[in-house]
Amino acid sequence: DAGVTQSPTHLIKTRGQQVTLRCSPKSGHDTVSWYQQALGQGPQFIFQYYEEEERQRGNFPDRFSGHQFPNYSSELNVNALLLGDSALYLCASSLKRSGYTFGSGTRLTVV
Amino acid sequence: GIQVEQSPPDLILQEGANSTLRCNFSDSVNNLQWFHQNPWGQLINLFYIPSGTKQNGRLSATTVATERYSLLYISSSQTTDSGVYFCAVGGFSGGYNKLIFGAGTRLAVHP
Repeated sequence: DAGVTQSPTHLIKTRGQQVTLRCSPKSGHDTVSWYQQALGQGPQFIFQYYEEEERQRGNFPDRFSGHQFPNYSSELNVNALLLGDSALYLCASSLKRSGYTFGSGTRLTVV
Repeated sequence: GIQVEQSPPDLILQEGANSTLRCNFSDSVNNLQWFHQNPWGQLINLFYIPSGTKQNGRLSATTVATERYSLLYISSSQTTDSGVYFCAVGGFSGGYNKLIFGAGTRLAVHP
């Protein structure tokens, strides 16, 4: 049973560029959430998708956007990258009223 | 929003020692999970425990929801237990659940 898969694993981008990160949820899960984890901190909630709509959003600017596809997979897009966007981006999938399963993350470096 | 506090922030143990990690939260929750983050960033789910007690090998966890705290016990610690332990809680908002993480407890187990 495949867990949550994320791609790519590592990424280096230049300030001002745009980036797209991808996530495939665990089989049977229908909800996808994205988290940003800066070095030495706990993961911070970005947003959550269910039935192809953004259902909740954390305190992140509009430069962060997402999408969920009919097969429940999801993308996270970040525009106009800043140096401060360098972080580990984690995707988690879940069912309502159940635990979350996390992927291995995408480590984004903005130079 | 819900606040999550973990203690202690750092813990150093000799192999074979026992330890207790604590998680306090500020409001009623319907989801509580303990995670272990390995050096590569992977968040491994240890327990889904919104209430009650669970055990898995050398690890056990207890959540007292009415008093808004959870404890993670590690017995006979091993060097492979090193890493960061996160407590994350969730409560329904508009019918959807999101996880809020504490700052983590950084555990180092020395041989």
